Amino acid sequence: DAGVIQSPRHEVTEMGQEVTLRCKPISGHDYLFWYRQTMMRGLELLIYFNNNVPIDDSGMPEDRFSAKMPNASFSTLKIQPSEPRDSAVYFCASSLSLGEQYFGPGTRLTVT
Amino acid sequence: KQEVTQIPAALSVPEGENLVLNCSFTDSAIYNLQWFRQDPGKGLTSLLLIQSSQREQTSGRLNASLDKSSGRSTLYIAASQPGDSATYLCAVKGGGFKTIFGAGTRLFVKA
Repeated sequence: DAGVIQSPRHEVTEMGQEVTLRCKPISGHDYLFWYRQTMMRGLELLIYFNNNVPIDDSGMPEDRFSAKMPNASFSTLKIQPSEPRDSAVYFCASSLSLGEQYFGPGTRLTVT
Repeated sequence: KQEVTQIPAALSVPEGENLVLNCSFTDSAIYNLQWFRQDPGKGLTSLLLIQSSQREQTSGRLNASLDKSSGRSTLYIAASQPGDSATYLCAVKGGGFKTIFGAGTRLFVKA
């Protein structure tokens, strides 16, 4: 298995632009997680899905953030409009049931 | 609200030394605890997962223990090597199955 796949790996955008991050979980995994990592706040859980259904989005910082999982093999995290304080590394992870989580390589987002 | 603390924040040891990294959590009602390794600029690599009903897990030179009642987990690394240099993170899955991460311990093993 190729592991969790994320794209793009790097994204540089201007403030106010829409940003879409993509994730393909490991095949057969039924849980998908989106995290954000910054120097100041460490790793934070934004939202997680079970069988494509959002279960807990209490970590999503603002209404500017939204996440979808249209099918078992694809999820998106969208920021609209983006702001400089959104600059961070965004990770996607997946797991089978509530077992071991496997992380993707991350997307480094820079908003200027 | 679950809080996860890792001590020390940074550690530098000579090659060959055995070492212990600590992780403490405030709410003992956890589902499982997972240890990760993160190399600079990279993603997280899973090292060990301990279910709430387990006391320890071992993988090669790594041994992780869990004491739910005291809210503590330790990661023991035997015979450390320069390649072990990385940041080690513990993650606690608790109420609502939310995962809370500690801030990590940055380990440097000197050759």
